[in-house]
Amino acid sequence: DAGVIQSPRHEVTEMGQEVTLRCKPISGHNSLFWYRQTMMRGLELLIYFNNNVPIDDSGMPEDRFSAKMPNASFSTLKIQPSEPRDSAVYFCASSPRGDNEQFFGPGTRLTVL
Amino acid sequence: AQSVTQLDSQVPVFEEAPVELRCNYSSSVSVYLFWYVQYPNQGLQLLLKYLSGSTLVKGINGFEAEFNKSQTSFHLRKPSVHISDTAEYFCAVSVKTSYDKVIFGPGTSLSVIP
Repeated sequence: DAGVIQSPRHEVTEMGQEVTLRCKPISGHNSLFWYRQTMMRGLELLIYFNNNVPIDDSGMPEDRFSAKMPNASFSTLKIQPSEPRDSAVYFCASSPRGDNEQFFGPGTRLTVL
Repeated sequence: AQSVTQLDSQVPVFEEAPVELRCNYSSSVSVYLFWYVQYPNQGLQLLLKYLSGSTLVKGINGFEAEFNKSQTSFHLRKPSVHISDTAEYFCAVSVKTSYDKVIFGPGTSLSVIP
């Protein structure tokens, strides 16, 4: 298996633009997680899905952030409009049913100018 | 609710010396415990996990951790570190639910000095 796939790996955009981050989880995994990592705040859980259904989105910072999982093999995290303070590395992770081990993707480094 | 504390934000250690990275958790119910490692510019990867059974857990790259229920600790140890062990280490805890949510600690940056 190729592991969790994220695209793009790097994104540079200007303030006010829409940004869409993509994730393909490991086949057969039931849960999918979106995290944000910054030096100041560390690793933050934004939202997670189980069987494509959003379970907890309390970590989503504000209405500018939205996430979808239309099917078991694809999820998106959208920021509209983007702001400089959104600059961070965004990780997607997936987990099979069982012992809660999470498998992380390589991350998307987002820079908002 | 569960929480994880990693008291040491940075740990410098000389090559071939032993190291211990400390982790304490709080939870009112039984937990699963994990240590993840993050190398520069990469995602997190699992080092080891405790689910049940023996309290001494062995992981990859020569690391091990011991679950101490009375002290609610899950410290990570390695008897002799390598330059390649320089990375960020995260302790994590979860409660067995249907949805697999994991709470991560703030991380400990391990720097191995040649």
